[in-house]
This record gives sequence, structure tokens and C-alpha cells, in this order.
Amino acid sequence: DTAVSQTPKYLVTQMGNDKSIKCEQNLGHDTMYWYKQDSKKFLKIMFSYNNKELIINETVPNRFSPKSPDKAHLNLHINSLELGDSAVYFCASSQRVGIEAFFGQGTRLTVV
Amino acid sequence: DAKTTQPPSMDCAEGRAANLPCNHSTISGNEYVYWYRQIHSQGPQYIIHGLKNNETNEMASLIITEDRKSSTLILPHATLRDTAVYYCIVRVVFGNEKLTFGTGTRLTIIP
Repeated sequence: DTAVSQTPKYLVTQMGNDKSIKCEQNLGHDTMYWYKQDSKKFLKIMFSYNNKELIINETVPNRFSPKSPDKAHLNLHINSLELGDSAVYFCASSQRVGIEAFFGQGTRLTVV
Repeated sequence: DAKTTQPPSMDCAEGRAANLPCNHSTISGNEYVYWYRQIHSQGPQYIIHGLKNNETNEMASLIITEDRKSSTLILPHATLRDTAVYYCIVRVVFGNEKLTFGTGTRLTIIP
């Protein structure tokens, strides 16, 4: 059983397109996150949701719109994709006052 | 910004203990020390965390100095599968939940 699963694992798309990455966790956690890891391997938080409510938004361009239909899902929609959006995107979840965060296996997005 | 300093890389012989240092001289009283690792671009994996006492679990031990300005992660019997980037992170648990990753230490286990 995969605790945090992301789809797709790889995504190649052209500039200007709109794409979505899906994330689901089966751990019963209240908090979910999106992280971005760029080509230099820096891992930075983008968003955090707690019980479907946005609690962290780290000055991410508004082309990125997270959506949480329920607390087990946090999807990331990206409009008008740019070359600089190429990165690996990780979803994670944790308890609200939790000890550890569980990460998905990542989605490698390549914008051409 | 990360509040920790780690060496960029380390090597360790297979079967030996790997000792990974971390400096966090500006740590606050309510901040915990967390360790995660990332194996070959997989998702980061939680290892261990502590506040001021030494901690041990099935993966590793965490030694925190008395002044809490530095800590050491110990992998007691390193295997090739422990080759990864190890991140030391300080965070407040009962507040902002985000993890702020630094550049980490790339640990290479040598056969």
C-alpha cells in the first residue's frame, strides 16, 4: 500500500499548456503539502493545506493553484507552463501536530 | 532560509558507523531537530527527530549537544543503501508545519 501517491510520475509538456498533478494519501493525515525540487536539488515548500484549508502559500506564482477536494487529496494545477517550471514536484502529508511528513515519489515535470 | 549548516559531502566505509554533523547555533528553545534523507531523487524519508535528549530508533541515533547548537546523526552500520543526501532541519512542531530544507550532506557508502 502506497501511503502518498502522485500521478503522473513523469510529465512532458509544451510551454503555455495547462497541466495537473494529483496526490492522494491514505494515512488519514490532516495536512498535505506540495514541494518543488529544482535542477540544483533545492527542495522548497510551495503550499500546505490543513483539512482542505490553505495554511501556507510560499509566494508561488498564481499560475499554480492547489485544490483539495477532501483531506486525502491535494492536486496541483499549473496554468501557462513556463520553462522554469521544470522540476520535480513532491507531495507530502503529516498529522496536524505530527512528528514526521511522508513524501510521495515525485512527479518530474519537463516543459519544452 | 535553512537554519542549519552541514558539510556538503562525506564518505563512509560499508559496515562502519556514519556520523553526520549538523550545526544549528541559532536554534530556539521550542525548535526540534529533524533528519530526513533523499535517496537518488526519491521522495525525502523521515529518519529521526529530537528536542534535547539523545534519541534512537531502528534507523539511526541522534546525539544533540547540551547547548543544542549542534547535533550528530549516527547510522550505526552503514550499508550501500544508505547512500543518500541527508538533511538536518530545525522546526517548531506546534506551529508552522513546514520543513525548510538546506543543501544537506551527500553521504556515499563505499564498498
